[in-house]
Amino acid sequence: EDKVVQSPLSLVVHEGDTVTLNCSYEVTNFRSLLWYKQEKKAPTFLFMLTSSGIEKKSGRLSSILDKKELFSILNITATQTGDSAVYLCAAPHDRGSTLGRLYFGRGTQLTVWP
Amino acid sequence: EAQVTQNPRYLITVTGKKLTVTCSQNMNHEYMSWYRQDPGLGLRQIYYSMNVEVTDKGDVPEGYKVSRKEKRNFPLILESPSPNQTSLYFCASSSLPLWRTEAFFGQGTRLTVV
Repeated sequence: EDKVVQSPLSLVVHEGDTVTLNCSYEVTNFRSLLWYKQEKKAPTFLFMLTSSGIEKKSGRLSSILDKKELFSILNITATQTGDSAVYLCAAPHDRGSTLGRLYFGRGTQLTVWP
Repeated sequence: EAQVTQNPRYLITVTGKKLTVTCSQNMNHEYMSWYRQDPGLGLRQIYYSMNVEVTDKGDVPEGYKVSRKEKRNFPLILESPSPNQTSLYFCASSSLPLWRTEAFFGQGTRLTVV
């Protein structure tokens, strides 16, 4: 049973389009939600969200969290071919001695065509 | 340059032959983790470590061992590899628990067990 569910699993767009990636999570003791980008190999960090309604921005990427509805979205405006990657959402384990445990979703494969 | 280094990058081995994948970080991080990534399943945590000599199981620890004798190194040991351990493996490190900060990932080890 997945704790972190991402949608869509795959998305193909053209350069210049705006995309919205979704992440819903099911943890009872929420602490944070994280977004990573994975191009070819190692994931790289994008955002960490801890509070509802506060939008994090980095250039054309932005993300917002809704703690009441248990989801987050990642927006990418004016997409470029370099945005093609798998986008991963993660939330910490919610039970016991869990300082180091993190659940990742299955990811959204974004392909941007020129 | 701050980095997480995994070796080897690619490995083909036979069932039952013990192997070790090494992971080393030069950032003096306390937290280190191992993940495996399989198509359609995302990243799944195998083991993690909060400090030297402190390790705990992740979601899929069966068939794996780890040790943390030094802060910088966190090797992953497969005592008797089986074909279902064919996967892409990532090591990650962070200065704080994974839910509080970004993690830095190694470049991955592609393991094939025949």
